[in-house]
Amino acid sequence: GQQVMQIPQYQHVQEGEDFTTYCNSSTTLSNIQWYKQRPGGHPVFLIQLVKSGEVKKQKRLTFQFGEAKKNSSLHITATQTTDVGTYFCAGRPGGSQGNLIFGKGTKLSVKP
Amino acid sequence: DAGVIQSPRHEVTEMGQEVTLRCKPISGHDYLFWYRQTMMRGLELLIYFNNNVPIDDSGMPEDRFSAKMPNASFSTLKIQPSEPRDSAVYFCASSAHPGRLPYEQYFGPGTRLTVT
Repeated sequence: GQQVMQIPQYQHVQEGEDFTTYCNSSTTLSNIQWYKQRPGGHPVFLIQLVKSGEVKKQKRLTFQFGEAKKNSSLHITATQTTDVGTYFCAGRPGGSQGNLIFGKGTKLSVKP
Repeated sequence: DAGVIQSPRHEVTEMGQEVTLRCKPISGHDYLFWYRQTMMRGLELLIYFNNNVPIDDSGMPEDRFSAKMPNASFSTLKIQPSEPRDSAVYFCASSAHPGRLPYEQYFGPGTRLTVT
């Protein structure tokens, strides 16, 4: 079936270091969304990318959608302890109705 | 808006008992999703509804699981009989129709289910 693979599964960084998580789909996506889940919390929407090659920024976070609309990345510059949590990508397969296929997430820990 | 509301927040039950989880989506949202999250399997989509109609239930583990959406403001996920391997956090999420941006999914706080 359709899958969205996300790597790495875990990432431990020192505060101030950069962090990147990658997402790959087996099929072309109509759009991709990113969510953040704090420890003990629920996933919260961060951003949506729709266009091929799209790049969006939110302060220290940079999101990219690949040219083929099959991959995406989230890059955090100069991590802070507030960035701790699990980051999920979620893709909507082309032609699908309303569901998203979630990656397994990348759990980020930041050492002060 | 209060966001997606789930109840109960925590549920501890014994194996073999029936468990009912409840969800109230955000008013005006056309889609409702039930997810299960565990350390081993991550976030799994169980079933989703569009305008109260189940669209895809292929993620429902087995016949012990059932979900209903009798109206636009209420949904239930029932497990009967429950088993220890059903222990997980169950999230409900809702979203607007894709034709009406934005249509990100809004998650409820989740129900932490423990089956002993």
